[in-house]
Amino acid sequence: GQSLEQPSEVTAVEGAIVQINCTYQTSGFYGLSWYQQHDGGAPTFLSYNALDGLEETGRFSSFLSRSDSYGYLLLQELQMKDSASYFCAVRNTDKLIFGTGTRLQVFP
Amino acid sequence: DGGITQSPKYLFRKEGQNVTLSCEQNLNHDAMYWYRQDPGQGLRLIYYSQIVNDFQKGDIAEGYSVSREKKESFPLTVTSAQKNPTAFYLCASSEAGAYGYTFGSGTRLTVV
Repeated sequence: GQSLEQPSEVTAVEGAIVQINCTYQTSGFYGLSWYQQHDGGAPTFLSYNALDGLEETGRFSSFLSRSDSYGYLLLQELQMKDSASYFCAVRNTDKLIFGTGTRLQVFP
Repeated sequence: DGGITQSPKYLFRKEGQNVTLSCEQNLNHDAMYWYRQDPGQGLRLIYYSQIVNDFQKGDIAEGYSVSREKKESFPLTVTSAQKNPTAFYLCASSEAGAYGYTFGSGTRLTVV
């Protein structure tokens, strides 16, 4: 079967750093993506890792370890607007399989 | 501006009725997808299409049907056979083999 596991909720304060982990078990693997979704809104693409290592895009970074079937999204200098749900997704041949999502709450 | 348009934003349906959700994109993307999202849960794949006149079932296709007669359009029909249709439906598109999807703003379907 295929499964992606994420923590259901994470809380942090403004200016802090938070890490959202994702472990996956899939029959095929072509990369790990991260998406952000504000309440009632559309998911938006944040980052993608096909190879092991860290990818940095502004305040957000994403890491992948294929040998451990593990990745994480790192959010630095947290802002109130970062409060949202974050989904990891594995590309399996020609489609994405999404995790159940992590709700991030940022407090002042 | 290019993007994906889903309509309507809110939809109410009586039990036993079929309903069609619209999804149109002007991004010239080859691939289109339909996902279902239930409260507090992730996105589950219903159907997807890599090319016009061809589509494949996702993980939860039962009770749904689609068509892909034009590159720009990928409508989803929720049939009366779908036992629990109340959900948030998201349409997405991507270039062939791309890793980033562009999502529409969604349609919230409620069965009354």
